[in-house]
Amino acid sequence: DQQVKQNSPSLSVQEGRISILNCDYTNSMFDYFLWYKKYPAEGPTFLISISSIKDKNEDGRFTVFLNKSAKHLSLHIVPSQPGDSAVYFCAASSGNTGKLIFGQGTTLQVKP
Amino acid sequence: NAGVTQTPKFQVLKTGQSMTLQCAQDMNHEYMSWYRQDPGMGLRLIHYSVGAGITDQGEVPNGYNVSRSTTEDFPLRLLSAAPSQTSVYFCASSYQLAAFGNEQFFGPGTRLTVL
Repeated sequence: DQQVKQNSPSLSVQEGRISILNCDYTNSMFDYFLWYKKYPAEGPTFLISISSIKDKNEDGRFTVFLNKSAKHLSLHIVPSQPGDSAVYFCAASSGNTGKLIFGQGTTLQVKP
Repeated sequence: NAGVTQTPKFQVLKTGQSMTLQCAQDMNHEYMSWYRQDPGMGLRLIHYSVGAGITDQGEVPNGYNVSRSTTEDFPLRLLSAAPSQTSVYFCASSYQLAAFGNEQFFGPGTRLTVL
């Protein structure tokens, strides 16, 4: 029972263009959502998060959008850079459990 | 600060062997957790701890034990290794509960192969 799903295993975009990574969830109790980035042979690093009381959060080139009615969130990277090439994981949690549930990950390749 | 450290980086075990994966953090974080990463499965929570002496199960706890005797250390024990436990294991820590949108800091991972 995959509560957090990233249905696109991979995405390839040109440098300078927008990258859009998508994530769907099934548990309506989730109230926090996070994105992590992971390079090969390293641990994941935190990118950006959003609370369920918001529908958008920005941090520099990264913006996360949350659509609660559709149970869908997306990460926009503008402009994309070759250094953004990595695996991106979305994660969700409900405040009363202390547990993060991760999606399967999407591998982003940004071509120069 | 070293952040979150994990040892060993690589390990090969035979079925039935036991071992302990070490995790330490020097950020005085109360919250620590263990994940495993498998292809196509993302990261799955094995066990977590909200402070010294307090642990709880995650999504996939079977076959693993943990204890938290100090704030700094959170070892993961494989009791009797099975090929299904072949995976990359990550330890993470955070100042507050990750569930409230707080950043977790991850270690570099331990790649475990069980033959």
